[in-house]
Amino acid sequence: EVQLVESGGGLVQPGGSLRLSCADSGFNFRNYEMNWVRQAPGKGLEWVSYISSDGSLIYYADSVRGRFTISRDNAKSSLYLQMNSLRAEDTAVYYCARKTTGTTYFNYWGQGTLVTVSS
Amino acid sequence: QSVLTQPPSVSGAPGQRVTISCTGSSSNIGTSFGVHWYQQLPGTAPKLLIYDNTNRPSGVPDRFSGSKSGTSASLAITGLQADDEADFYCQSYDTSLSSWVFGGGTKLTVL
Repeated sequence: EVQLVESGGGLVQPGGSLRLSCADSGFNFRNYEMNWVRQAPGKGLEWVSYISSDGSLIYYADSVRGRFTISRDNAKSSLYLQMNSLRAEDTAVYYCARKTTGTTYFNYWGQGTLVTVSS
Repeated sequence: QSVLTQPPSVSGAPGQRVTISCTGSSSNIGTSFGVHWYQQLPGTAPKLLIYDNTNRPSGVPDRFSGSKSGTSASLAITGLQADDEADFYCQSYDTSLSSWVFGGGTKLTVL
């Protein structure tokens, strides 16, 4: 069974940095495209970033471009999100979500990790 | 302001049928990429409910069904049950924005 487990969330001051991780317990992590999706408290879902299975293609939402960096280590079956210059509006639960090549939906999600940006 | 538009809330009594609409445009739902639906139970992560307009992943009851017409889509839930109470989100890919987009979400209340 696919299991995605996020970690690295916490409280950070505005302007600070945080690095999120997502570990995939499955055997085929390298075959799948990965994404980060976030959800502000009491709000809806917002796609944040995408990385292709081999890491060669990367996309960002306008709201985070230039501040966030997505990466992956297929040898460790792990996905990362480096978040810099954090703002109060980045406060959210961050989910990693898996996508199969050739599709546009997210078929597996992690349980999420909460990032709070506050002084 | 979400790219896809959903009603904030819907409600129905146990056993009834409810529908949730999702309105987009020719650059998202109106494309071949179609629309997908997620169910988010309270305090949990979203779960894929319907993909590619009408398809159910393994394990999703056939009480849940999806449809698409032009630039709009609908999720129908029949035989409402108390544990269907959740937030539901539609999602597509927007070719103009080059971005995955979601609706604002609809809260289902079972009366």
